[in-house]
Amino acid sequence: EAGVVQSPRYKIIEKKQPVAFWCNPISGHNTLYWYLQNLGQGPELLIRYENEEAVDDSQLPKDRFSAERLKGVDSTLKIQPAELGDSAVYLCASSLGGLAGESETQYFGPGTRLLVL
Amino acid sequence: GENVEQHPSTLSVQEGDSAVIKCTYSDSASNYFPWYKQELGKRPQLIIDIRSNVGEKKDQRIAVTLNKTAKHFSLHITETQPEDSAVYFCAASRYYGQNFVFGPGTRLSVLP
Repeated sequence: EAGVVQSPRYKIIEKKQPVAFWCNPISGHNTLYWYLQNLGQGPELLIRYENEEAVDDSQLPKDRFSAERLKGVDSTLKIQPAELGDSAVYLCASSLGGLAGESETQYFGPGTRLLVL
Repeated sequence: GENVEQHPSTLSVQEGDSAVIKCTYSDSASNYFPWYKQELGKRPQLIIDIRSNVGEKKDQRIAVTLNKTAKHFSLHITETQPEDSAVYFCAASRYYGQNFVFGPGTRLSVLP
């Protein structure tokens, strides 16, 4: 079974440019998470989807960040315009969701390492 | 919202010794507590988790204990090996991933 897939793995852009990250969760996983991880710190939740609905986006800086999961499967996270402080690893995770046992277990993708110059 | 603290931030042990990492949480409604291991440049990987209806769970050399009254939980690694060297993150959440918060991490070094 394929794990969570993310692309690109690395991205270097100049400040004020837009950037987009893509995530394909594990097949059948209803819940999808986007995290930001700064060097030496724990992942910080940006947004959580239940199917196509964003149920928790309280930590998403909505002035420059946006996300979508139109068909409740894969998802895109966008930053426009990017700032120097956005340099970090962007992690996607998915979980089964729902009421079944083990539904909360999150499986992470390899992340996209963003460098803003 | 939830706040998760983790101690120590760094831990060095000799190979074969035990390592203990402790986390505290603030949201009394949290009931799911996973631990993740992250090697340098790699994704976090779940190593063990515990739910609030049990006080202890063990998987070979790894165990987790939970004290809901005191709102803290701990990771115990016995007979440590060099490949256990990594950053370990605890996390806490309510049911179904609500209010999921990670701790700041503990860098564990197992010295040969």
